[in-house]
Amino acid sequence: AQTVTQSQPEMSVQEAETVTLSCTYDTSESNYYLFWYKQPPSRQMILVIRQEAYKQQNATENRFSVNFQKAAKSFSLKISDSQLGDTAMYFCALFSNQGAQKLVFGQGTRLTINP
Amino acid sequence: ETGVTQTPRHLVMGMTNKKSLKCEQHLGHNAMYWYKQSAKKPLELMFVYSLEERVENNSVPSRFSPECPNSSHLFLHLHTLQPEDSALYLCASSQGTADYEQYFGPGTRLTVT
Repeated sequence: AQTVTQSQPEMSVQEAETVTLSCTYDTSESNYYLFWYKQPPSRQMILVIRQEAYKQQNATENRFSVNFQKAAKSFSLKISDSQLGDTAMYFCALFSNQGAQKLVFGQGTRLTINP
Repeated sequence: ETGVTQTPRHLVMGMTNKKSLKCEQHLGHNAMYWYKQSAKKPLELMFVYSLEERVENNSVPSRFSPECPNSSHLFLHLHTLQPEDSALYLCASSQGTADYEQYFGPGTRLTVT
């Protein structure tokens, strides 16, 4: 079975600071994808960033970057120069196109950016 | 906006009521999903439809009944729910079930009294 664990239920930082959200996962598949989704209050969940497991280079999207440690099965999200609009629930997720072919989500981390 | 809409956004129903949740996607996708999001729990996949056929039912109680009349619409019919069914119900779509990129709707906040 595939599992995703986010050990930080809540985090809070000041605007413009850098924050890192943690995620660990477990899978026996060799070909999989990892994602961070953002769910702002009362708004739709959107994809922030994705990482293909076969790629060694860490994915980046503007102020968002990941630290993908395949051997350790760790996939953290770093948000640089945080903004008030980054306040949201963040979900780490895993997808394997072998086997079950379903998105498996972590419990989420509620991130608050304070002015 | 992600191209996936859900109605209603909020729903309060008694345990003896019957109601339906609606999802519509404008992305030309072939796969649609229902998820249940409860506080402090991971999203739970409930149902998966591919080309209007149900391909997954994750041991969901029969009081939840999905319907997919065409590839753009997905319904979740609700009857005799329990208070523990109160949650945010999310719809999502993707190009196909093997496509990892899913687009989510805003959800329906359901409260069962």
